[in-house]
Amino acid sequence: GQQLNQSPQSMFIQEGEDVSMNCTSSSIFNTWLWYKQDPGEGPVLLIALYKAGELTSNGRLTAQFGITRKDSFLNISASIPSDVGIYFCAGRERNYGQNFVFGPGTRLSVLP
Amino acid sequence: GAGVSQSPRYKVAKRGQDVALRCDPISGHVSLFWYQQALGQGPEFLTYFQNEAQLDKSGLPSDRFFAERPEGSVSTLKIQRTQQEDSAVYLCASSLLGRVMNTEAFFGQGTRLTVV
Repeated sequence: GQQLNQSPQSMFIQEGEDVSMNCTSSSIFNTWLWYKQDPGEGPVLLIALYKAGELTSNGRLTAQFGITRKDSFLNISASIPSDVGIYFCAGRERNYGQNFVFGPGTRLSVLP
Repeated sequence: GAGVSQSPRYKVAKRGQDVALRCDPISGHVSLFWYQQALGQGPEFLTYFQNEAQLDKSGLPSDRFFAERPEGSVSTLKIQRTQQEDSAVYLCASSLLGRVMNTEAFFGQGTRLTVV
């Protein structure tokens, strides 16, 4: 079946540093989503991408839909302590329907 | 409330017991999804409803898992004869529209099921 890989698996950064993480797929996707999950909470949608090459920002977050449609990238600029959490990418092959496939997540720790 | 509400937040079941997990989606949301999240993993799709119709149940791991949404709002995920491998967080999500692009899914806090 479909599989997503996320890298890095975990990362420790200093407050104020920029962060980059990516997600790759064995399949072509038409939709990419990035979620953040805090302990004991459900995932919260950060950014949604719908077109190959699309670059979308949400505050300090920027995500890109890879041109090959098999990858996506999330960047966080000037990290702050509340950025700590697990970041999941999720992809969907079709333009509709709701069967999203999630990656295993990137665990981000921010050191003061 | 304004968000997706799930109950109970925590459930401990003895192996072999039946459990029922409830999801109250955001009012007016057409689509509802159930996901299973094992410890340290990303959520895995279980099933999808559009209103009361269960359009996709391809992710249900066995016939012990059953989901319903009889009136197109509240949904219940039932697991019969629970096994230890069923231990996970069960997440419910809802979105406003059905088969339309650019819909966002909002997740509840999840129910953490522990089978002992």
